[in-house]
Amino acid sequence: QQQVKQSPQSLIVQKGGISIINCAYENTAFDYFPWYQQFPGKGPALLIAIRPDVSEKKEGRFTISFNKSAKQFSLHIMDSQPGDSATYFCAASSDFNKFYFGSGTKLNVKP
Amino acid sequence: NAGVTQTPKFQVLKTGQSMTLQCAQDMNHNSMYWYRQDPGMGLRLIYYSASEGTTDKGEVPNGYNVSRLNKREFSLRLESAAPSQTSVYFCASSLDRTNTEAFFGQGTRLTVV
Repeated sequence: QQQVKQSPQSLIVQKGGISIINCAYENTAFDYFPWYQQFPGKGPALLIAIRPDVSEKKEGRFTISFNKSAKQFSLHIMDSQPGDSATYFCAASSDFNKFYFGSGTKLNVKP
Repeated sequence: NAGVTQTPKFQVLKTGQSMTLQCAQDMNHNSMYWYRQDPGMGLRLIYYSASEGTTDKGEVPNGYNVSRLNKREFSLRLESAAPSQTSVYFCASSLDRTNTEAFFGQGTRLTVV
């Protein structure tokens, strides 16, 4: 079974809107939660990451919200732009960077 | 900066054939990984190498072998390819377990017919 569950599978947002992608995990040993962005034909690239000692991390238009007690974390993209259209993966790891990835969310930002 | 380089980019194999996917990184990273990406499944770890000379199984190691040839290179071998191994394969590297950003190659699209 998947160690990290991600939703939704796909998301359509108007330019300027907020995109929200959610992930949930079960393994309390996870201590690093990155989000990766992937464009067609490319490998995933790190977008933003958080550790469980903080509840929120913001970098520009991208924010991770982390709820340790609920074992959930989410990515918020503010002022979404067409250039943000990509597939987003959440992930979690504990030891030796053994990442467990969510199933991915395909984001389409309409102009 | 090349980063993580994978070869080949595309490959078609017949069932039962063997092949090796090559990966090299030029960032002096200690840890390297092989993932496979399937629709609706995200990326799943096949094997990883925490440091030169060591390799360990990930989530889905069956049907694969790996070699950490040196610090730069980490290869993935399919001894007898099966249609279930049709996938996009990604190699990644990270400095070590304490620096947890992983850098990915561009992928190898493998089709087994």
